[in-house]
Amino acid sequence: DTAVSQTPKYLVTQMGNDKSIKCEQNLGHDTMYWYKQDSKKFLKIMFSYNNKELIINETVPNRFSPKSPDKAHLNLHINSLELGDSAVYFCASTRGAYGYTFGSGTRLTVV
Amino acid sequence: GESVGLHLPTLSVQEGDNSIINCAYSNSASDYFIWYKQESGKGPQFIIDIRSNMDKRQGQRVTVLLNKTVKHLSLQIAATQPGDSAVYFCAERGRAGANSKLTFGKGITLSVRP
Repeated sequence: DTAVSQTPKYLVTQMGNDKSIKCEQNLGHDTMYWYKQDSKKFLKIMFSYNNKELIINETVPNRFSPKSPDKAHLNLHINSLELGDSAVYFCASTRGAYGYTFGSGTRLTVV
Repeated sequence: GESVGLHLPTLSVQEGDNSIINCAYSNSASDYFIWYKQESGKGPQFIIDIRSNMDKRQGQRVTVLLNKTVKHLSLQIAATQPGDSAVYFCAERGRAGANSKLTFGKGITLSVRP
């Protein structure tokens, strides 16, 4: 199936831990994004990468570090997790100016 | 600053009726707009988009209207069905190019009464 796929779908972890979320797209898109959705369903962009290059960094704490090993992958590593990091994280991709496609999300719960 | 907002947090409609979901945006330079549908436990799903050089675009049972004069976007759903129940988001793009990003409005919940 052509899609944007994220793993894991659910992630429960303790405060202070380090965790990673992975994203892969097989749509041939050249730009990938991470969005965060809070408890009120508000979606806000965190990062974008274009051809493995960081383009957008929306004032996200440096505990969050995206990594793009190639055009088809964009991972998100989070250090020293805090309670406020609990949210749903969405990966998205696009080619050119149009056609934003979202993954199904990773629900992160920090306890 | 840029902001995209929805007028109402919830909308309840009778099955078979038409639904209209409204959205206001503040960035007059936005050139592209998208409506997304998000069902519980899923990611935003593309419904329909419109470029700023258009004022209306139709899809299957859905129509998007863009009024640039008042910076208003609406989504019309014809013959609303139970499967249309979800949270709906409007999103705007402030500029094209590699550094483009979507700015989302607050979601509105559409509830369809049988």
